[in-house]
Amino acid sequence: DAGVTQSPTHLIKTRGQHVTLRCSPISGHKSVSWYQQVLGQGPQFIFQYYEKEERGRGNFPDRFSARQFPNYSSELNVNALLLGDSALYLCASSSIVGQGAHGYTFGSGTRLTVV
Amino acid sequence: SQQGEEDPQALSIQEGENATMNCSYKTSINNLQWYRQNSGRGLVHLILIRSNEREKHSGRLRVTLDTSKKSSSLLITASRAADTASYFCATADTGTASKLTFGTGTRLQVTL
Repeated sequence: DAGVTQSPTHLIKTRGQHVTLRCSPISGHKSVSWYQQVLGQGPQFIFQYYEKEERGRGNFPDRFSARQFPNYSSELNVNALLLGDSALYLCASSSIVGQGAHGYTFGSGTRLTVV
Repeated sequence: SQQGEEDPQALSIQEGENATMNCSYKTSINNLQWYRQNSGRGLVHLILIRSNEREKHSGRLRVTLDTSKKSSSLLITASRAADTASYFCATADTGTASKLTFGTGTRLQVTL
């Protein structure tokens, strides 16, 4: 059974460009969350979606947006990239809105470098 | 913003020794979780402890939670080289179950 799948694994973009990151949750999981992890820090919450509806939003600018599709996969979009957006972007899936008894299952992440 | 601090920031021990990491947080929580991260890749869930629990065990892991002090500790017994990783605590606040707030992490190095 496949785990959480994220694509691409690595990405290099230029300042001002737009980027789309993709995540497929574990089969049967209806909740997807996105986290940003800057080098040397802990992950920070960006969004959570459940049943295609936004259920939580972190303290990120409007340049960050996301959506969830009918098959529960998700996209994270970032517009007008800044150097400070360089980070590891992590996707996490769970079967419910909260973490239940078993926490979240994270993907391996997308390493975004903005030059 | 980070929820709180983890202590120590880095820890180096020999195989077979025990490793203890501490986590402090700032708000009222629903639960606290510990995750492991190898080489800056994905996070692996280790253990979850609810706010009404004081101690929990899973294999070589022991987690304690003191809500009065807003702190938690993770003990890894009989450490192995494969335990080398960064360890993060993460809290789910009482206000919302959807968001995890992570600490700054402890980098554990286990040498042979």
